[in-house]
Order: sequence, then C-alpha cells, then structure tokens
Amino acid sequence: QVQLVESGGGVVQPGRSLRLSCAASGFTFSSYGMHWVRQAPGKGLEWVAAILYDGSNKYYTDSVKGRFTISRDNSKNTLYLQMNSLRAEDTAIYYCVQGTGDKFDNWGQGTLVTVSS
Amino acid sequence: DIQLTQSPSFLSASVGDRVTITCRASQGITSSLAWYQQKPGKAPELLVYAASTLQSGVPSRFSGSGSGTEFTLTISSLQPEDFATYYCQQLNSYPITFGQGTRLEIK
Repeated sequence: QVQLVESGGGVVQPGRSLRLSCAASGFTFSSYGMHWVRQAPGKGLEWVAAILYDGSNKYYTDSVKGRFTISRDNSKNTLYLQMNSLRAEDTAIYYCVQGTGDKFDNWGQGTLVTVSS
Repeated sequence: DIQLTQSPSFLSASVGDRVTITCRASQGITSSLAWYQQKPGKAPELLVYAASTLQSGVPSRFSGSGSGTEFTLTISSLQPEDFATYYCQQLNSYPITFGQGTRLEIK
C-alpha cells in the first residue's frame, strides 16, 4: 500500500532554515506529481507547493515563493521541501501528498514545524 | 487565485440526518473539485473527486454534485464516524486552493 513518511520537522528560530523530507513507497514514485500541504494549528488546509513527476515544473503559493523550494529524487523515492527565511506564520503541520490531476490520493501523517524564538 | 467558499462553516446534526455542504468557486472550474474529510489529529482523506466520483472504499452515503461554480457534498444518513471537518478543493488551476472547512458536529 502507499506510504508517505515525512521527517525533518521541529522547532526553529525565525529567519532560519529547515528541510523536510518525504519517503515514498508502495507506488511508482517517478510517475506521480507530488505536493506539500500545510495546516496551521486549529486552522484549515493550505496548499504550499507542487512538483511534476519528473521535476520539470514546480509551483508555489505566493506566501512561500522565493523562500521555499520543492524538489525530488526519483532514484531515492523521496520528496523534499527546503524552507528558508522561516516566519512565525509558517508554523504548521506539513503533509506530503501524492497527487494526480484531479485529486490528492494519499497523504502522509504530517510533520510539525514550529517557528519560534 | 480561485477562492472557494464553503457553507455552512459549522453544522450541528444528528445520526441519521441528511446533510448538505455547499462549495462555491469565485470563477468556473468545470468539474475540477474534490472533497476531503479530516478527523482530529489525522491527515485528510479523499472522499470525492471530479465533483461527483466517489473514491474507492468510501461509503455510498456520500455523494458529490455540481459543476462550474457551485458544488455540493451530501451525506444521506449521518453515521457516528462522519462527524468531522470537510474541505472542498479546486484543482482547475494553480495555485490549488481549499475551502475554509465545514465542521460537522453531533447535535
């Protein structure tokens, strides 16, 4: 079955960096677009970034453009999110998501990022 | 960006009730809409995609309809495990967006 396991979350000071990873298994990783979605404490879902199956195109929500970079290593079945210049408002659970054109099929369990001094 | 507005934001209902949640898009998105259910402390789970296609394994009491700018999710007979928060999502164009959520609670 599909498994998506995020790691790399933690507490970080404002302005610092963090890299999230998502280890994928149970499907042909290199055939699927992948996404990061976040959820601030007690709030709704916010799509953050997407990357096509081959890494050729990347998309971001406006609030993270220029600060976050999504990438993937298809040889390692791993998705990444490099987060720089972190702000308090980036505090959230970050979910790794397998997507097709019309749905987000499978979600990881999430990793918590807390930006605080 | 395409804005999605769900109504109501909060819904109180009883087991056995029929409930409907509406999602309105700020511009036409054809049928590129999905619905998710999220329970406390858990990741969201896909219920419906392409506006009306039930995800495999989802009970048939769930149904979706609509196209263009107005969509609905209907639960025909609420079960205890259905009390959760529901989100709509548009995948018509980037940035992908979600509705603000509808919290369904037991009356």
